[in-house]
Amino acid sequence: DAGITQSPRYKITETGRQVTLMCHQTWSHSYMFWYRQDLGHGLRLIYYSAAADITDKGEVPDGYVVSRSKTENFPLTLESATRSQTSVYFCASIIDRGPYEQYFGPGTRLTVT
Amino acid sequence: AQSVTQLGSHVSVSEGALVLLRCNYSSSVPPYLFWYVQYPNQGLQLLLKYTSAATLVKGINGFEAEFKKSETSFHLTKPSAHMSDAAEYFCAVKRNFGNEKLTFGTGTRLTIIP
Repeated sequence: DAGITQSPRYKITETGRQVTLMCHQTWSHSYMFWYRQDLGHGLRLIYYSAAADITDKGEVPDGYVVSRSKTENFPLTLESATRSQTSVYFCASIIDRGPYEQYFGPGTRLTVT
Repeated sequence: AQSVTQLGSHVSVSEGALVLLRCNYSSSVPPYLFWYVQYPNQGLQLLLKYTSAATLVKGINGFEAEFKKSETSFHLTKPSAHMSDAAEYFCAVKRNFGNEKLTFGTGTRLTIIP
């Protein structure tokens, strides 16, 4: 099916481990985003990408790494997971600049023990 | 920089009553404004958006919102609440030029009382 998918949907990992969350979109949208959702904070932007090989920090980038070698994929890596990174992570994409909305994936619920 | 304030983290209304969810924004340039809805264990889904055309915007599921520049507001309304409207609602703003980053409010959880 066309759209934006995330994997895994649920993940439990231990403190200090590296974990990668995957995001894939089938629309060839230019922009892609990673957010984390925490109670009382709404959605906060971690990183975004305007195109393949172009990425930039958002509001809360510390402890995260992204890459975008292909337009359709935008993986998010936690290099050494901490308990404060327990959250729900959403990937989103938008077709281009202008009056367009972002489309969201279903989310990944990550628990760091 | 832009920001969004959603007044009321929890709102409860009776089934059939008016739904009013408040959103005030701050932006140094003309904004685009969005309302998203999130059902449990799902991603965000667009309800409606304001992109500087009509100030009264109609969305899905009977929702609408009015852009009021003088009040810097973009409140979401629905005349008659339905049980299926129970969800979390997010207001978001972005500039109408430059990068495409959205700034979200902290969300309002809507509960419908039977």
